This record gives sequence, C-alpha cells and structure tokens, in this order.
Amino acid sequence: QVYLVESGGGVVQPGRSLTLSCSASGFTFSASAMHWVRQAPGKGLEWVAVISYDGNNKYFADSVKGRFTISRDNPQNTLHLHMNRLRSEDAAIYYCARSQRRYDILSVSYEYPYGLDLWGHGTTVTVSS
Amino acid sequence: EIVLTQSPGTLSLSPGERATLSCRASQSVSSSYLAWYQQKPGQAPRLLIFATSSRATGIPDRFSGSGSGTDFTLTISRLQPEDFAVYYCQQYGNSLTWNTFGQGTKLEIK
Repeated sequence: QVYLVESGGGVVQPGRSLTLSCSASGFTFSASAMHWVRQAPGKGLEWVAVISYDGNNKYFADSVKGRFTISRDNPQNTLHLHMNRLRSEDAAIYYCARSQRRYDILSVSYEYPYGLDLWGHGTTVTVSS
Repeated sequence: EIVLTQSPGTLSLSPGERATLSCRASQSVSSSYLAWYQQKPGQAPRLLIFATSSRATGIPDRFSGSGSGTDFTLTISRLQPEDFAVYYCQQYGNSLTWNTFGQGTKLEIK
C-alpha cells in the first residue's frame, strides 16, 4: 500500500521548537519531492515547504522562512519539518504530500508537473502558553 | 508573489447540476502548472486535476479542468452527492521553487 503517515504534533509554547516527521511507504521515496502543507483551524490550505528528491533544493513560504527547516532521510523513507520560534499563527494541521518527478530532456533536469498526488492524514500542532 | 483568487466563495447547487469553479491568478507565469484538490471535512485534500486539465488517477470523468494564462476553471458535469466539498486550486512552478493555493470554494447542496 502507498501511504504517508505524519507524527510529532502536539502542544508547544510560543517561541519553542517542534519537529514533525512523515513516514513513507509503498513507493520510491527517494524519487519524489516532498512538501509540507498546513491548514489552520477553519481556514484554507497554506503551502509551507518543499524538498527535492535528493535533498539538495529546499524552498519555504515567506511566513516560515528563517524559522522552519526541512530535511529528509531517504534510506529511512522519512521526511522532517523542524519548526523553531513557533508563533500562535503556526497552529494548524500539518500535512506531508508527494510530488512525483519526470525527466525533461530539453532542459536536462527534473520537473514536477503532477501536483501533490499523495497526502498523509495530518498531524496537529497547537501553539499555546 | 502570485495570488490565486477563487470564485465564488460558496456555490449552492443540486445533485445532477453542473458546477463551474473559477481560479484566477494575479499574473501569468511561464513554466508553471495549475492543480485542483477536493477536501471533505476531517479529511486530507485529494488531487483531482494536475497540469490544468489532466485527471489524477481514479478521478471520474465528470471532473474536468481548463484554462490558460491567468484564468482557470474546474467543471463538474453532473454533481453527485459525494462531490459536495471544498475545492482548492494550486499553482506551482515546475522546478519546485514556488507553490500557492487559492482560498477555496465551498460547494454545498442547495
């Protein structure tokens, strides 16, 4: 079976740190870019961060840049989101999601045209004193 | 920064009717793609459409996507009871450098 399972959510005080994990199964994890997307209570989806298949490229939303980092352990099929200096507005359900790649012969590089085609069930982060 | 604006905010229709959801980008971006997701209460989002008009695996053909430039549309040809949900559009660069979601359209039963 193909699935993603997030863990690590919980209640944390403002200014503290928390690390989320996403465990992948049933597909070639090392061939996929991986994203974190969050959803505050009653709100829409907000893209947070992405890491390329090999971990060499990482991009962040402006709202978390400089506070969050993303990493992956391909042999362990695991993705992480390290969240520092947490704020009340970081409270949300955090989903990990997959982007599959394809090789573009013309640009001699990988591209990711397929959207976020596999999502975990999410893990909840509450930021409260 | 690209901003995606979805309209309407809420769409009230009956089963069997046709739904047309709009997603407008604040600017046209080359080498980018547009996707649509469905989310039901208490569930993770599900990919419906990628690259503007390609249906994801297992998505019924009553869902279709179209558009170009800054204007994109998700059409559901004949609404089924299970289609009532919130729908999000997403624009993303083909090299991962940027991603953005629209604010969502709630499709509710009339």
